[in-house]
Formats: sequence, C-alpha cells, structure tokens
Amino acid sequence: DAGVIQSPRHEVTEMGQEVTLRCKPISGHNSLFWYRQTMMRGLELLIYFNNNVPIDDSGMPEDRFSAKMPNASFSTLKIQPSEPRDSAVYFCASSWTLGKPGELFFGEGSRLTVL
Amino acid sequence: RKEVEQDPGPFNVPEGATVAFNCTYSNSASQSFFWYRQDCRKEPKLLMSVYSSGNEDGRFTAQLNRASQYISLLIRDSKLSDSATYLCVVNPGGGFKTIFGAGTRLFVKA
Repeated sequence: DAGVIQSPRHEVTEMGQEVTLRCKPISGHNSLFWYRQTMMRGLELLIYFNNNVPIDDSGMPEDRFSAKMPNASFSTLKIQPSEPRDSAVYFCASSWTLGKPGELFFGEGSRLTVL
Repeated sequence: RKEVEQDPGPFNVPEGATVAFNCTYSNSASQSFFWYRQDCRKEPKLLMSVYSSGNEDGRFTAQLNRASQYISLLIRDSKLSDSATYLCVVNPGGGFKTIFGAGTRLFVKA
C-alpha cells in the first residue's frame, strides 16, 4: 500500500518567493495533518483537516501560511512570501476517524530552505 | 508549561542495557498516548500505544500513570538499531489534535 506522499522532498528558494508543498494522504484516511519540525521547536502542529474541512489552524504561524484540502486525496501548504525563519522540515500525516486518535502515518517530509 | 515534556537526553547506553524514558503531560483530560520513534532525517513512526494497564511489545514496555500525568517507555536488552529519537505523543482529548514532545535521543553503543 502506498503511504503518505509528499512533494517536493527538498526545496531551496529565496526569501520572498512563494512555496507550495503538496501531500497525498493514504487512501481511505479522512484526517490530514501538517506539522513543521525544527531543532529549536521540535514538531509543531500547524493545521489539521477532517473530511477535507479545516478543524484547527491555531498552529499556523501567521497570515503568510495557508493550507487547503480541495478533496480527500490532496492537500497543499503554501507560504507566501517565504522568509529564512520558515526553513524547516514540513511533514504531512494522515489518519482515519475510526482509528485511535494519535495514530498518525507520516510522509517522508519536505525539507525547505529559504535563503 | 509545555503540554508535553520530555528529557531531551541524550541517553548513551551500551548494548544489552535497559533504559527508561519518562514524559509528562499537562492536560489531565488527555485520552490517548503513544510513543513514536524517529530516526535521523526520517519521518516519525508509531512505536506503540500506551494503555492504562500498561502494555508490552517484545523488548518494549509502556506505562501510563494518570494520577501523576506521565507515561514511560522501557527498553530492555538495547540493540544498536534502537538508536533514535523517541517522541512522546498525547491526544488532549475531544478530537484529533495530537501533541508531540520534543523527543528523547538514545544512542546505543557496542
């Protein structure tokens, strides 16, 4: 079975540019999570969706960040404009409502470097 | 106070040793608890759930103490391959919001 698929795996961009990260959750999963990981702050929950609807976006750092889930098989996380402090690994994870809350399946992550 | 707190370590232990990690959580209403493992430059992966009665999976034993609001992970007979960061994970309750601790680094040496 295919796991959570993220793209791109690596992105290097310059400050001020728009960055779009993509995620395809595991088929049948109806919850999707975006996390950011840095050495200083660890894994931070940015936003999560249930049945394609954003449930909690309180972790989104600021208005430069936005996330969408237009259908059950695709989500994007967009940063516009990007800043050096956004450099991190961004993970997407999915789970299903009938499973145990907290049993998440992670993608391999998108490593973002903003110069 | 952070919602989930862990000793960052690192814990440096020889092969065959027994090592234990603790994790404390602040929300007494928390309902689900997990340990995840993360290898260097990899994604976190579920290691085991933590149940009130305690549970064991091979060399790994997880315990929950609701009164003191902490969970623990015990690894017996450590292997080189156990070297990783172990993340304590708590679901605060009432939904799917899942909070990760900062992780405890373990190095097992020959």
